Amino acid sequence: QVLLEQSGAEVKKPGASVKISCKPSGYIFNSNYLHWVRQAPGQGLEWMGVINPGSGSPNYAPRFQGRVTLTRDAATKTVFLEVMSLGTGDTAVYYCARDVGGGNTALHFDYWGQGTLVTVSS
Amino acid sequence: EIVLTQSPATLSVSPGERATLSCRASQSVSSNLAWYQQRPGQAPRLLIYGASTRATGIPARFSGSGSETEFTLTITSLQSEDFAVYYCLQYNIWPRTFGQGTKVEIK
Repeated sequence: QVLLEQSGAEVKKPGASVKISCKPSGYIFNSNYLHWVRQAPGQGLEWMGVINPGSGSPNYAPRFQGRVTLTRDAATKTVFLEVMSLGTGDTAVYYCARDVGGGNTALHFDYWGQGTLVTVSS
Repeated sequence: EIVLTQSPATLSVSPGERATLSCRASQSVSSNLAWYQQRPGQAPRLLIYGASTRATGIPARFSGSGSETEFTLTITSLQSEDFAVYYCLQYNIWPRTFGQGTKVEIK
């Protein structure tokens, strides 16, 4: 079955960076885009960006452009989200989610990771 | 970017009753709209895609309708496990955007 396994919770100080991983299994790694969505405590869902695991090409939400980097390691079949210059407003649960489309088609998201809590506090 | 506005913010419904949730888009998204359910402490779960197609394993009491800018999620005969927060997502253009959510609570 399809699973998206995310790395564990992180605690960071303001100004630091964090790098979260998402390792899919149960399907061909290159076949579906992977998105990142975050959710601040008590708040809604916010789309951050997407990566094509085949090419490594990312696409970012405008508000995160320049502060967020999406990468993938083809050898370990893992994708990564790095957020730089963290502030307290970045405290959130970060989810990876698989796009249901195949090839170069991006649609909606079907499977989600369990989420990674990032806490930013001095 | 496309703004999705969900209403109401909170919906109080008795078990067994019907819930009607709305999602309005600031510009047309065609039928490229999905609905997700999120229970406390859990990741979102896909309910509806293509505005009206139920995802695999989703009960028939969940239905979606609409196109272009006006969409509705209807839950008939609410069960205890349906009390949760519901989000719409547009996947017509980049960036992807979510509505702010509707909380369905027990009346």
